[in-house]
Amino acid sequence: GDSVTQMEGPVTLSEEACLTINCTYTATGYPSLFWYVQYPGEGLQLLLKATKADDKGSNKGFEATYRKETTSFHLEKGSVQVSDSAVYFCALSDLPDGSQGNLIFGKGTKLSVKP
Amino acid sequence: SQTIHQWPATLVQPVGSPLSLECTVEGTSNPNLYWYRQAAGRGLQLLFYSVGIGQISSEVPQNLSASRPQDRQFILSSKKLLLSDSGFYLCAWGQGGLADTQYFGPGTRLTVL
Repeated sequence: GDSVTQMEGPVTLSEEACLTINCTYTATGYPSLFWYVQYPGEGLQLLLKATKADDKGSNKGFEATYRKETTSFHLEKGSVQVSDSAVYFCALSDLPDGSQGNLIFGKGTKLSVKP
Repeated sequence: SQTIHQWPATLVQPVGSPLSLECTVEGTSNPNLYWYRQAAGRGLQLLFYSVGIGQISSEVPQNLSASRPQDRQFILSSKKLLLSDSGFYLCAWGQGGLADTQYFGPGTRLTVL
């Protein structure tokens, strides 16, 4: 079945360092891809999304490009801040026939940014 | 604007006791509603989804059940909790469509002892 694999955490970086969180997927169809973020004590929030190959999602300085050839959707940010400390989840929407589509999530990667 | 509420925020229950978690959505009508669980060391797992009142689809066989008595109310229940039911439970809503963006509630941390 469809699945999402993302890099194990935790990831600890200094402020202004570059961030890459790897995410790869397996899917039989043409999924939409998402990154969600969960800040401490809060619910999940959609960070960015891409709905077709070569689309780039971006928000709050984060970017991710839908790469069909490598089945990847890596999350990147050029300069992280302490406020970026959170757990990041990669997800895909399987959109099976006859349903509204459901999200399949990776295990999450915890990011800690030190001042 | 739309908001989603879940309660309680935390819950500690003994094995074999019943469970009822409630989720309500405001500011939208006929949403798709979802229950997810995140067990320790695992990703989020879809448990149930509903496209309308009284319509429930189960993704994973288990001792949990879900009900949707009203358009914007979604309830997760169990008659007898197991230790393996411990985890973080998230309710979400969405309107469907190509991107299927879902909006999540704050979650309930359930510990079964």
